[in-house]
Formats: sequence, C-alpha cells, structure tokens
Amino acid sequence: DTGVSQDPRHKITKRGQNVTFRCDPISEHNRLYWYRQTLGQGPEFLTYFQNEAQLEKSRLLSDRFSAERPKGSFSTLEIQRTEQGDSAMYLCASSLNAGGGPSIDTQYFGPGTRLTVL
Amino acid sequence: QKEVEQNSGPLSVPEGAIASLNCTYSDRVSQSFFWYRQYSGKSPELIMSIYSNGDKEDGRFTAQLNKASQYVSLLIRDSQPSDSATYLCAVSYNFNKFYFGSGTKLNVKP
Repeated sequence: DTGVSQDPRHKITKRGQNVTFRCDPISEHNRLYWYRQTLGQGPEFLTYFQNEAQLEKSRLLSDRFSAERPKGSFSTLEIQRTEQGDSAMYLCASSLNAGGGPSIDTQYFGPGTRLTVL
Repeated sequence: QKEVEQNSGPLSVPEGAIASLNCTYSDRVSQSFFWYRQYSGKSPELIMSIYSNGDKEDGRFTAQLNKASQYVSLLIRDSQPSDSATYLCAVSYNFNKFYFGSGTKLNVKP
C-alpha cells in the first residue's frame, strides 16, 4: 500500500453513461497525475495537477474527460458519455515536488480503477 | 514513433541469472529516467530512478543510462521467481509529464 487510494476499484457502466473516479493522494504530496492503462500497454499520461492547478493535459484526452482537484487534495476524473474504447485501468499517482532536486519527485501509484464499458 | 520503446518480451531467464532489460527514448531533452515493476493486475511500483550518465546500483538492481545513445537499461542480478513481472521504463522532462514504454515481461524460471 503506497498511501494513494482510489475509489471505486471497479466500475461497470453502459455506453453513454457518465462516470466519476476519485483519487486521494499521499497527504503531503502537491502533485497528482492521472494515467490510463490498457492491456499490454504502459500507463498513458492524461493530466497532472500541482496543488489545485491543472498544469498539463494530454492532447489525446477528448473533451469528454475532465479532471479537478478543487482544494489541492483529492482529485476527481469524470468521463462523460462513455464509449467502449474508454474501458481501461485508470491510475492515479502522486508526488512531492519540493523544488529541491529530482530525487524528491518520485511518483507513487494508487491501486487503480478498472472501468468496463458495456 | 513512440516516445519510449521497449521489447515486449517475454524475456525468460533461469533463477540466479542476470536479467537485462533495455529501453530507448526519442526525446533528447528527457532528463529523468525510471524503472517500474508491475505485477499482473497491480499498479506500477518504482524500482530505480537515474538522472546522470553511468550506472546506479541498488541491491540486486543496476540502472544504466547513456544519454548520447538515448538508452536506459536495467540489470537484475541473481534473478528470483518473485522478479517475474512486467518492467516499465519511464522518462520525463522536468517532472511535468511522464512517458512510459509498453513494458517488458520477465519470466524467471525456478
């Protein structure tokens, strides 16, 4: 257990429905990342936050995806009008970026939320 | 061209042997390099990070970085069956965005 938690762990939904996932990072971590991973592939970067600011978003992320981190603590990832191609593992990771050098910025991954779109 | 390339494997080695995993990357300004281990159905866990050219050792693991050749490798000495997993190479620039390879599956046979 890395200290990063995600909820739910599994989600089955029908095509066209909206889903929302939650990530609780390690409490002192100011950076939070969302990734998507499909079978046989590595994690694919979606977006990241430093505190409450969303600093970068993948060009691959359609406008059906939105993420928030309103108070710089937990984050939510929402997928609207889900499609079968959205079926994947959604991973959250957090890190501490203290500006003191690269050795501090280690990402710790949560257990992931597995999404199945029927 | 993918940002990070890895041979998908599987790489099979006998118990006690050295496993050598390789990774190439395309972005010359990449500054930070990571190796993660991922067991089936689990999330990635960090094994090693390396930022400077040369070797970095941590227990049975050695990471090697050659920025001129855009090449990163991971050596696992005295491989154990518990090392059987998928090994992911990741690179980043300024820790803003991480690119992962597709991973190499390692099988260590008892």
